[in-house]
Amino acid sequence: GAVVSQHPSWVICKSGTSVKIECRSLDFQATTMFWYRQFPKQSLMLMATSNEGSKATYEQGVEKDKFLINHASLTLSTLTVTSAHPEDSSFYICVWGTAYGYTFGSGTRLTVV
Amino acid sequence: QKEVEQNSGPLSVPEGAIASLNCTYSDRGSQSFFWYRQYSGKSPELIMFIYSNGDKEDGRFTAQLNKASQYVSLLIRDSQPSDSATYLCAVNRNTNAGKSTFGDGTTLTVKP
Repeated sequence: GAVVSQHPSWVICKSGTSVKIECRSLDFQATTMFWYRQFPKQSLMLMATSNEGSKATYEQGVEKDKFLINHASLTLSTLTVTSAHPEDSSFYICVWGTAYGYTFGSGTRLTVV
Repeated sequence: QKEVEQNSGPLSVPEGAIASLNCTYSDRGSQSFFWYRQYSGKSPELIMFIYSNGDKEDGRFTAQLNKASQYVSLLIRDSQPSDSATYLCAVNRNTNAGKSTFGDGTTLTVKP
């Protein structure tokens, strides 16, 4: 149980374009999930906490207008990186929280050229 | 001082040995503690969680928690080359997995 599907697994985009990352829980429902970012050889950094049906809560230093989160249902959340720049290149991971820890999506490697 | 500290490693142990991974945290209000394994280029996967002081065993893995010393560790017995990965310690103020704070991870290499 507790399977999360994240797509795409990798994407290369041109600077200035937008990229949407989709995260689905396949066999459970949860109201709260999290989006993390991980730069090479660094740990996971929380970007935002997303609650179904309400606005996401962003961590300090994360631009809400740049990283758009839509959490429309108990099983689906999307992160859109708008007007991407090379410094946005990172590993983006969606995470659903349960009482026994996190279930991670497989991650999306974003490269902005 | 980081909220969750781990030795970055690399920690190298021979196959069959015990690997000991350590983690300290600064928030005394922390209630739940998690160990994740992350292979290069992959997402982390949960290995163990622990809430109470003492030891918790699951197969070859044992998590140890000492809240007074703000210290949590992970022991891996009979280490295998497939255990080579980065191990992340995560700490949470709640007993359900809300916002966790992650350490930077310890890289473990198990040599055949």
